[in-house]
Amino acid sequence: SAVISQKPSRDICQRGTSLTIQCQVDSQVTMMFWYRQQPGQSLTLIATANQGSEATYESGFVIDKFPISRPNLTFSTLTVSNMSPEDSSIYLCSVRTGQITEAFFGQGTRLTVV
Amino acid sequence: AQSVTQLGSHVSVSEGALVLLRCNYSSSVPPYLFWYVQYPNQGLQLLLKYTSAATLVKGINGFEAEFKKSETSFHLTKPSAHMSDAAEYFCAVRSDTGRRALTFGSGTRLQVQP
Repeated sequence: SAVISQKPSRDICQRGTSLTIQCQVDSQVTMMFWYRQQPGQSLTLIATANQGSEATYESGFVIDKFPISRPNLTFSTLTVSNMSPEDSSIYLCSVRTGQITEAFFGQGTRLTVV
Repeated sequence: AQSVTQLGSHVSVSEGALVLLRCNYSSSVPPYLFWYVQYPNQGLQLLLKYTSAATLVKGINGFEAEFKKSETSFHLTKPSAHMSDAAEYFCAVRSDTGRRALTFGSGTRLQVQP
């Protein structure tokens, strides 16, 4: 398994500002993903973070709004830019490694935009 | 394309009663299937997974699920509910080709009544 540390665990932000969420894994992983969980909803994939290249975004998500970095095999960041109240959600980092089929999740970052 | 349908957004059972949470999947290739549990203010924890070995899969906390290809189902069961089972449960699917991230169902909130 992989131990994932996400920071911050929660934050309250003013609209129009940006927040960067960090995801640190205790071992090298092949795949890293960012999900959004809106209040009372399921998880929606934002993007796949690719090491050394631009992230792959899902339909409805764009790089200008959710820039992602992945400088190495154990770390990634997700920035939520120019925030509005509609961005209030839980953001989760997820990883998969090697031949292991399941994904592991961080504890999530609970974001409230006021 | 792959998708997951969870029937019943809320399920309520009495303590000691059978738990049955329904999940149907759609996948153009043999899938990997997962059940995750999310306790309040926490990330997702893997309950069990199907990876084309045994069709009856046993997981943690006494849960099990049966893969039925003819019914495209992967329902989660537990013979006797415990108060600590109250949580949100998500079914997820992943294929071994193409998109490597998980696709989640809408989730089922399990309530356990004393």
